[in-house]
Amino acid sequence: EADIYQTPRYLVIGTGKKITLECSQTMGHDKMYWYQQDPGMELHLIHYSYGVNSTEKGDLSSESTVSRIRTEHFPLTLESARPSHTSQYLCASSGYRDRDQPQHFGDGTRLSIL
Amino acid sequence: QQPVQSPQAVILREGEDAVINCSSSKALYSVHWYRQKHGEAPVFLMILLKGGEQKGHEKISASFNEKKQQSSLYLTASQLSYSGTYFCGTEIYNTGKLIFGQGTTLQVKP
Repeated sequence: EADIYQTPRYLVIGTGKKITLECSQTMGHDKMYWYQQDPGMELHLIHYSYGVNSTEKGDLSSESTVSRIRTEHFPLTLESARPSHTSQYLCASSGYRDRDQPQHFGDGTRLSIL
Repeated sequence: QQPVQSPQAVILREGEDAVINCSSSKALYSVHWYRQKHGEAPVFLMILLKGGEQKGHEKISASFNEKKQQSSLYLTASQLSYSGTYFCGTEIYNTGKLIFGQGTTLQVKP
């Protein structure tokens, strides 16, 4: 089984708060990803990283920011949460050098902004 | 650019077969298939790479037609545990970045 962890699992918080969603993996994977998924809908890539100090925005525009200071850690931050940010956020990672590299997903953070 | 999956939903009885299709308007480098159960993370099923190969995994197999830019997932003799939403993720270049289809919900009834 893949070892990728997200905390918190659930978060209910008021508008205007600063939020950091944590994601860590112990597989030494170079690539990491953040997806946003509304209930019953598809996954949308919002951020990805090819390695330390490498981050890029994904296909879906997001007001969140990410950092990759250590290989194993890829936190996502919302400076000022709004109700429109309510969604599930999934973190994933994959290896870099081989072709057949699946993405391994964490259990996700369900975020609800009041 | 988002791949299109069909059908959107399938209801089966245990033991029946199903096919889920994933079509892209772009040339593909690879296609990934995942299954997600309600409230859980997506779970990897298989990857198909450019070259038109077919892969198998127990009673679940898949094919990739590079010329048609299409992949199909075959579920044979379905079990209750197959229920969930199936997503295809397409990769245009060898970047690791995936664009996911809208999903196909599969329900297997006893």
